[in-house]
Amino acid sequence: AQSVAQPEDQVNVAEGNPLTVKCTYSVSGNPYLFWYVQYPNRGLQFLLKYITGDNLVKGSYGFEAEFNKSQTSFHLKKPSALVSDSALYFCAVRGYGNNRLAFGKGNQVVVIP
Amino acid sequence: GAGVSQSPSNKVTEKGKDVELRCDPISGHTALYWYRQSLGQGLEFLIYFQGNSAPDKSGLPSDRFSAERTGGSVSTLTIQRTQQEDSAVYLCATGGRELFFGEGSRLTVL
Repeated sequence: AQSVAQPEDQVNVAEGNPLTVKCTYSVSGNPYLFWYVQYPNRGLQFLLKYITGDNLVKGSYGFEAEFNKSQTSFHLKKPSALVSDSALYFCAVRGYGNNRLAFGKGNQVVVIP
Repeated sequence: GAGVSQSPSNKVTEKGKDVELRCDPISGHTALYWYRQSLGQGLEFLIYFQGNSAPDKSGLPSDRFSAERTGGSVSTLTIQRTQQEDSAVYLCATGGRELFFGEGSRLTVL
């Protein structure tokens, strides 16, 4: 079985401050890890992925995420949050050889002006 | 987004009616997924198509739900005898290692 935990329902951060959205996962074998963002009344947009290689992955809109195998984590980060980053963020995992992507329940990020 | 088109974008129906939701995926991608997003919930896997292989239907919540994919392209998700708990956003996705999602079809069952 594969699963994702996003422990915080909502993350509030002041504009200009660092933003972190936490994600831990459980999967058999090597994981493929993803972050998606969803703006109101829109579909999910792909932000970044970890497949192999460098543990620090850089993605769209200045976001990055760090794969930590020992802690089974893949936290999303942005050095300086913008009000426009306010959205719902989903972490997802797929085990090697598994067809389906398992999503976390999502984190609502609110960036306060 | 990214070329996946879903219709209708919004559907309001009465309890007990059947509904069909359509997904027109990005051409060239053989994989197609349906997910369901309920209010306050994460994304729930429903069904997966890959080329000519038998679909993975293990996520369908009941036998009222079915899906087909014609010619390896357009897919239709059918919900028969809709119930209020079927109200959700139904998302279609295609792609390779990363998935590209449509905007979704918001279903409201009164």
